[in-house]
Amino acid sequence: ILNVEQSPQSLHVQEGDSTNFTCSFPSSNFYALHWYRWETAKSPEALFVMTLNGDEKKKGRISATLNTKEGYSYLYIKGSQPEDSATYLCALNNAGNMLTFGGGTRLMVKP
Amino acid sequence: EAGVAQSPRYKIIEKRQSVAFWCNPISGHATLYWYQQILGQGPKLLIQFQNNGVVDDSQLPKDRFSAERLKGVDSTLKIQPAKLEDSAVYLCASSLPPHSVTEAFFGQGTRLTVV
Repeated sequence: ILNVEQSPQSLHVQEGDSTNFTCSFPSSNFYALHWYRWETAKSPEALFVMTLNGDEKKKGRISATLNTKEGYSYLYIKGSQPEDSATYLCALNNAGNMLTFGGGTRLMVKP
Repeated sequence: EAGVAQSPRYKIIEKRQSVAFWCNPISGHATLYWYQQILGQGPKLLIQFQNNGVVDDSQLPKDRFSAERLKGVDSTLKIQPAKLEDSAVYLCASSLPPHSVTEAFFGQGTRLTVV
């Protein structure tokens, strides 16, 4: 069983604040690192799939970086909005296409 | 493109009763996952299928949980008998064939409450 850890567990920010979360994972047998956003009563939705060390991906105000050598990824949200409130999950994709999820970071953005 | 379909959305049962969940993955997706998400925790993989074969079921409590994927398409997950600690959201996801780095697509989940 792979150990994928996310921090912080929860986060409360004001609208307009920028924020970031961390995902740590074992660097051996690395294939890809996924980030998902899971809003209440909806399906988890993929944000990014990252494969290369040093990769940086961006979608609107959300971006992510990847360091496969040291085993971590950061997710950044610039200028948080109330609609960004959700649980952000990272998942490690290793050989065999298995996805192992971290515990998630629950983000609440107050207007 | 139709997404991953799951039913029912919600289920309340008494402990020691049985329950079954159904999942229809995206057409053409060979890999199917069942996850259990307990409140406050991340999703935990219960079982992974590749077509109709089991790839990993190491975290499936086999004394009470069973899953099948007949014909490599739809899948059912059963709990018999249920315990209070089985209360969780059960997520089904599907993805393209193995060694792929494409995303997994999730259904909306079944929220199970065992009382």
